[in-house]
Order: sequence, then structure tokens, then C-alpha cells
Amino acid sequence: AQKITQTQPGMFVQEKEAVTLDCTYDTSDPSYGLFWYKQPSSGEMIFLIYQGSYDQQNATEGRYSLNFQKARKSANLVISASQLGDSAMYFCAIGSNFNKFYFGSGTKLNVKP
Amino acid sequence: ETGVTQSPTHLIKTRGQQVTLRCSSQSGHNTVSWYQQALGQGPQFIFQYYREEENGRGNFPPRFSGLQFPNYSSELNVNALELDDSALYLCASSIDRGQETQYFGPGTRLLVL
Repeated sequence: AQKITQTQPGMFVQEKEAVTLDCTYDTSDPSYGLFWYKQPSSGEMIFLIYQGSYDQQNATEGRYSLNFQKARKSANLVISASQLGDSAMYFCAIGSNFNKFYFGSGTKLNVKP
Repeated sequence: ETGVTQSPTHLIKTRGQQVTLRCSSQSGHNTVSWYQQALGQGPQFIFQYYREEENGRGNFPPRFSGLQFPNYSSELNVNALELDDSALYLCASSIDRGQETQYFGPGTRLLVL
């Protein structure tokens, strides 16, 4: 079985500053993927970034980067230069060839002007 | 390239009724997954379809059933609706099974009275 833990129910960040959203995971699968999604109040889940378990380098996509520490089983999302439009729920998820996607409980990010 | 679409966007049913939700996968994707997201929670995996066959199921009772068609679109059917079935139902498609990135539709909001 797989498990995702997001320990920050809510976070505040000042506009233009960086913020880190925490995610830890547990899996027995040798190969897996870690994903971050953004969910605005409209409800749609928007894919942000992917990290494969065998990737040597941390993934980056524009202002998003994933701080992957395999030994610690953590996959934190870093958002640089926060914008007001970044205010949303953020979900971490894990998927593998042997198990389906499991999502964490989410972190609500509020960006303050 | 057309993204994942879902219909209807909103639905109100009464307890005991049956409902069918529909999802069109993204072009080139052969895998569709369905999720239930209760208010304030992360999405919960219902089941996945790969090339018209069920490819895994979460902890949902048999009254949740599905289909995938030759064009890889999919339906989620829920019989004998209960009040706790009120949720946002999300459909996601991916290029393959396993740890491929899943792309989500806008969801269907179901309210059971």
C-alpha cells in the first residue's frame, strides 16, 4: 500500500516570496512517481510537476521545483516568487506500476498582497 | 488538443436513485481513472480503466461501477445513492497505466438529498 502525508493544512505567504509545501510518502514499490497538483476553488485539478523515483535531479517547471529526498521519503514543492493566483489547494500524490494514485489531504495556500 | 471533459457539471439526485457520470479522455490516452473528492478532503481512488478493462479498484462498494468504451471515454455509475455520495467526482486520463501523469477534467458536483 502507499501513503501520502501532508502535515500543513494551511499556509500563508507574502506575494513575491518563496514557499515550501511539505509532502512525505510511504511505499514499498521500487519504482514510483511523485506528483503535485493545484486545485483552485473552481475544483479542477491542475498538474504542476512530476518526479520519478529514479530521477537523479530534482524536477523543475517554471516557478515550481520539487525538493526530492528519497532517503527521507519526502517530496516538497517549492513555489518561487508567489503570485496572488497561486492561492489554492495543493495536493501531493504518488503513483506506481503496481498501485494506483494516492493523494494526500492537501495544503491550502493563501498568498497575501 | 482537447483536454479531459466531464458531464454534467452539476447534478442533484435523491437518496436511492441512480446516476451516470461521463468522461471523455484526452486524445491519445487509453487509461481513465475516477476519483471521489468529499468536501475538504483529497481525492479518493474509485477505479481505473485501461483499454476497456477495469485495472484496479479502491475501497468502494459494488454499487459504484464503470465502463470504458472503444474510444476510451468512460462512465461512472452509482446505484442506490446515499447522502454520503455527495461529492466532487473527478475523472483523469493518462497515456498509459502505472505512474504516468494523470490529467484531470473539471469534475462533476453531485448532491444527494
